[in-house]
Amino acid sequence: AQSVAQPEDQVNVAEGNPLTVKCTYSVSGNPYLFWYVQYPNRGLQFLLKYITGDNLVKGSYGFEAEFNKSQTSFHLKKPSALVSDSALYFCAVRHPNSGNTPLVFGKGTRLSVIA
Amino acid sequence: GAVVSQHPSRVICKSGTSVKIECRSLDFQATTMFWYRQFPKQSLMLMATSNEGSKATYEQGVEKDKFLINHASLTLSTLTVTSAHPEDSSFYICSASDTNNEQFFGPGTRLTVL
Repeated sequence: AQSVAQPEDQVNVAEGNPLTVKCTYSVSGNPYLFWYVQYPNRGLQFLLKYITGDNLVKGSYGFEAEFNKSQTSFHLKKPSALVSDSALYFCAVRHPNSGNTPLVFGKGTRLSVIA
Repeated sequence: GAVVSQHPSRVICKSGTSVKIECRSLDFQATTMFWYRQFPKQSLMLMATSNEGSKATYEQGVEKDKFLINHASLTLSTLTVTSAHPEDSSFYICSASDTNNEQFFGPGTRLTVL
């Protein structure tokens, strides 16, 4: 079975500092990995995904994530955090051979960027 | 890019009434749509998979007679919460898959049952 773990419920970072939101996954084979952001009372906004190719994926709003197969991780990063980045972040996974199946989400990590 | 809409964005209803939520893919055809439920400060929990022209597949623990799903066209799926109760109050989010199996999420519907 596929699963995603986001070990941190909350991440606090000062504005201008680099941020990391952690994600590890469990799935056989090479997974499709995703990051989404959710602002209060809003739906999910797609940030980036890893399908294949370069392990470093660049996405929206200056975010990037690195696929690390040996550590089964897909941590989300940004070099310089903004207060407006404060939101709820979800990591998700899907098996590439699973056809049209839903994403499996982590529990989410709340990011708080302090001015 | 692909856009998915939900209507209404927010609804308040009395206990015992039924509420219908629409999920539309605006610029693509979606043979499959997914319905999720999100409680405050929690992750998205899959409720059901909706396939156009066939019966929905419900996740374990989700009552199919309470959460009626209809996917009558390639651009519209509806979720009806029947005889709603306060414990049904939640944020409901749909997603739609295009022909490449890419999933696009709607903005969500906040349901409050009094």
